[in-house]
Amino acid sequence: AQKVTQAQTEISVVEKEDVTLDCVYETRDTTYYLFWYKQPPSGELVFLIRRNSFDEQNEISGRYSWNFQKSTSSFNFTITASQVVDSAVYFCALSGLNNAGNMLTFGGGTRLMVKP
Amino acid sequence: DVKVTQSSRYLVKRTGEKVFLECVQDMDHENMFWYRQDPGLGLRLIYFSYDVKMKEKGDIPEGYSVSREKKERFSLILESASTNQTSMYLCASRTGTMNTGELFFGEGSRLTVL
Repeated sequence: AQKVTQAQTEISVVEKEDVTLDCVYETRDTTYYLFWYKQPPSGELVFLIRRNSFDEQNEISGRYSWNFQKSTSSFNFTITASQVVDSAVYFCALSGLNNAGNMLTFGGGTRLMVKP
Repeated sequence: DVKVTQSSRYLVKRTGEKVFLECVQDMDHENMFWYRQDPGLGLRLIYFSYDVKMKEKGDIPEGYSVSREKKERFSLILESASTNQTSMYLCASRTGTMNTGELFFGEGSRLTVL
């Protein structure tokens, strides 16, 4: 069985602070994919990144960066110099390549509030 | 611009009513999904479909059914709504047969059952 844990249910920061959202996963698959999605107040989840289990290189996209560590089964997401527009709920998700049922397993989400 | 459209953003229904939630995608995706979102529980998969007239149960199918008569449309049905089905319902679609592609989501339908 797969499991994704986002231990931080809610984080509040002041604009321009850096913030890291934690994600820990469990899977028995040797090949799997990890995702981050953002859900702004409008409700529609927006895809941010996909990482496969063989690629442990960290990724940076503007103010966003992701740290994938297989040794600790973690896929953490850092926002540098946070902005009010970053306020949203963020979900980490996991999909096994051979996952019967074609299912994506989501974590519980972390609500990020960025105050001006 | 790719689009997943859910028919109703907000619904209020009474216990025992039959409820239809409609979802349409314009991307010619093979796979469509219905998730339920509850605080602290994240998104849980109710049902998914990988082709027209095909459906598979997800993690929490009890109390729900689905219909996929056309490729672009995937409906979620609550035969007899109950208060514990008050939730946000999210429809999503994805192309391909592998679990690697990104999901495209609709804006959600918030259902309240009184």
